[in-house]
Amino acid sequence: KAGVTQTPRYLIKTRGQQVTLSCSPISGHRSVSWYQQTPGQGLQFLFEYFSETQRNKGNFPGRFSGRQFSNSRSEMNVSTLELGDSALYLCASALSDTEAFFGQGTRLTVV
Amino acid sequence: GEDVEQSLFLSVREGDSSVINCTYTDSSSTYLYWYKQEPGAGLQLLTYIFSNMDMKQDQRLTVLLNKKDKHLSLRIADTQTGDSAIYFCAESRLADSWGKLQFGAGTQVVVTP
Repeated sequence: KAGVTQTPRYLIKTRGQQVTLSCSPISGHRSVSWYQQTPGQGLQFLFEYFSETQRNKGNFPGRFSGRQFSNSRSEMNVSTLELGDSALYLCASALSDTEAFFGQGTRLTVV
Repeated sequence: GEDVEQSLFLSVREGDSSVINCTYTDSSSTYLYWYKQEPGAGLQLLTYIFSNMDMKQDQRLTVLLNKKDKHLSLRIADTQTGDSAIYFCAESRLADSWGKLQFGAGTQVVVTP
């Protein structure tokens, strides 16, 4: 059974650009969550989608957005990139409220 | 700052037991989790415990929960060099949806031969 797949694994972007990250959840999982991990702030919740609806949102500016498709795959987008957006972005999928499984993450570097 | 707190570093000798501690503040926590992160990797779910349980054992892992003190611990028996990693404690809260977890800052565990 395939795990959570995130693409791409690594990304370098320039300040002011935008970026789209992709997450394919474990088959059958309808909940997808996104987290940002940085050395200074640790793991911070971005948002969660369930059946194509945003169910919860963290305290991030509007430049961070996401969506979920009918096949449960999710994308997150960051517009007008800033240096501080450099981070490991992690996606997790869940079937129920007991276990959330994480992908390997996308390492975004903004220069 | 986090509502979930962990000590930042633990050094342990191979073969000994490791105990990683965590405290949380929200009394409405439903599930508490332990995740492991190795360098350059995502988070691996190790185990979790429901908030009305006191203890859960899974092979070398033992989780203890003291709900009165809001204290969670993870004991790793017979620690191996492959256990060197960062360990995160996390909680889910009744008021939040499934996918929203509150994480601690992580405890770096270094296993020495």
